[in-house]
Amino acid sequence: KQEVTQIPAALSVPEGENLVLNCSFTDSAIYNLQWFRQDPGKGLTSLLLIQSSQREQTSGRLNASLDKSSGRSTLYIAASQPGDSATYLCAVEAGANNLFFGTGTRLTVIP
Amino acid sequence: GAGVSQSPSNKVTEKGKDVELRCDPISGHTALYWYRQSLGQGLEFLIYFQGNSAPDKSGLPSDRFSAERTGGSVSTLTIQRTQQEDSAVYLCASSLPLTGANEQFFGPGTRLTVL
Repeated sequence: KQEVTQIPAALSVPEGENLVLNCSFTDSAIYNLQWFRQDPGKGLTSLLLIQSSQREQTSGRLNASLDKSSGRSTLYIAASQPGDSATYLCAVEAGANNLFFGTGTRLTVIP
Repeated sequence: GAGVSQSPSNKVTEKGKDVELRCDPISGHTALYWYRQSLGQGLEFLIYFQGNSAPDKSGLPSDRFSAERTGGSVSTLTIQRTQQEDSAVYLCASSLPLTGANEQFFGPGTRLTVL
């Protein structure tokens, strides 16, 4: 069974810093990997989707990379802002048409 | 609507009662998923619908859980004889699966509390 791990579980940074969130998965036979953010009491907002044939995707200040062979993905956030504070989840689709989620990284950006 | 909607947003029920949770997917999305997010745990897959195909029920935790999708659009997740361990946020997602890309869009969830 696919297992997805996110490190660290929580992270606090001062505003303006660049940061990296890590995601690892045990089975490299994936179709795609998706990064989400979840605000307290809210649903998930899709940030980026990387297909298995891709190495990275960018959206604004966000850049996600994928190294399928090593089972790793990173989410890079440039010039962090207090509004970036949320829980960030990565999830992999591994052929069963459903997503396997990590437990998330809770990010706090301190003004 | 523009996104996935779910109702109710909150549901408090007594142990042993049945509950129904509703999901309206994004118009035109053929795939619909239910997930559960329990306190302190990650999201776990419950059930998947794709078009007119038989649903993938492999994630349902017990036979007290069932779901249906009428007319290929709205879905209802039913939990019978609720237990306290059923307390969680139930999230619905929809997607339009394309070759190599299956971006799922989530609703705001229904927070279920079983007393």
